[in-house]
Amino acid sequence: AQTVTQSQPEMSVQEAETVTLSCTYDTSESDYYLFWYKQPPSRQMILVIRQEAYKQQNATENRFSVNFQKAAKSFSLKISDSQLGDAAMYFCAYRSPNTGNQFYFGTGTSLTVIP
Amino acid sequence: GAVVSQHPSWVICKSGTSVKIECRSLDFQATTMFWYRQFPKQSLMLMATSNEGSKATYEQGVEKDKFLINHASLTLSTLTVTSAHPEDSSFYICSASGTGMLAKNIQYFGAGTRLSVL
Repeated sequence: AQTVTQSQPEMSVQEAETVTLSCTYDTSESDYYLFWYKQPPSRQMILVIRQEAYKQQNATENRFSVNFQKAAKSFSLKISDSQLGDAAMYFCAYRSPNTGNQFYFGTGTSLTVIP
Repeated sequence: GAVVSQHPSWVICKSGTSVKIECRSLDFQATTMFWYRQFPKQSLMLMATSNEGSKATYEQGVEKDKFLINHASLTLSTLTVTSAHPEDSSFYICSASGTGMLAKNIQYFGAGTRLSVL
């Protein structure tokens, strides 16, 4: 099974500042998908951003962007202009094309936004 | 994005009773649904994967006779916790993926169900 590692259990950021959450993964596959999900206190999992491995261009969704380094197997999430509503658990996930859309999740990073 | 509805959001039951949790995809056909269990401040643990019309595939260590999964239609999957005991108390989350541009290669999640077994 693929392994997804989030080495930062907790992070904090000042409101309006920028924060980067790290994620690394282990795989021998060349084609796959990577995701960042947000889980606020309501515990509803929300898709933040996704990246297809065959695309070299980093995905961007408004204030959220990723730094995808395929050779290094790294997939970090950058949140710009942090807002109080960004406070949540963030999970990095890997999807293999060979396991029926099964996702492998990291252990999560708890993000605190300081007003 | 696509919407997945999960019901109930919170259920309290007595030990020994069974509880059914429903997961519905509202605006797409969910060819595959997933059931997760999440302990406080931990990641999601995959319990089983179900494809419409087929038997669910359970992860190692998950009792298929205790956690009954049915995926009889392209919009509905159910998880029944049979003879629930206090150690089954947890947060259960479903997700769904399907065909088409809306839900291909993505999992959309329900809001989760908090199960408390007394």
